[in-house]
Amino acid sequence: DAMVIQNPRYQVTQFGKPVTLSCSQTLNHNVMYWYQQKSSQAPKLLFHYYDKDFNNEADTPDNFQSRRPNTSFCFLDIRSPGLGDAAMYLCATSPHQGEQYFGPGTRLTVT
Amino acid sequence: SQQGEEDPQALSIQEGENATMNCSYKTSINNLQWYRQNSGRGLVHLILIRSNEREKHSGRLRVTLDTSKKSSSLLITASRAADTASYFCVGGAGSYQLTFGKGTKLSVIP
Repeated sequence: DAMVIQNPRYQVTQFGKPVTLSCSQTLNHNVMYWYQQKSSQAPKLLFHYYDKDFNNEADTPDNFQSRRPNTSFCFLDIRSPGLGDAAMYLCATSPHQGEQYFGPGTRLTVT
Repeated sequence: SQQGEEDPQALSIQEGENATMNCSYKTSINNLQWYRQNSGRGLVHLILIRSNEREKHSGRLRVTLDTSKKSSSLLITASRAADTASYFCVGGAGSYQLTFGKGTKLSVIP
């Protein structure tokens, strides 16, 4: 039944050590998104894909990269995590401009 | 998208009471969406109301939209402890991006 799956749910990484978060979907939606949500703040869009077309938000740090090898999977790579990158990372999908379907999130801790 | 500003920032009610949250936005929209986020979890889409609609219902949820006032409200009737969450509104304006506001934090006391 799971529609948007994120793995792992909790990730601990060391300062400066690259980390990859993954997202998969069973909805066959064209669009996939990555959001960052820090404690008690609103989710903030990092980037989105329309099919393989990548769209980066202007203020997304270069430290954050993404890959979408196929319709079902999307990855978030943080090349050199800093303490300020500790957050919940949310993946979402949508078939069009409209409602988005979110995964449960991956909580990233940086030590 | 159009960031919504939710009001109040926090709301505490007794179980069984109704909860009303308001949302304002600044520019024209095609639709307005409400999302819920339980503590430490992902967001769940609740309801979408199009700009040519004035009211929409879904179960215990009632959403109104007043485009002349650039405002929307979300009413949850007969609240339950499980409704405790943060609620966000977002205006859709013909793009894929959603810009979330700070939300309304609803606490339903059993």
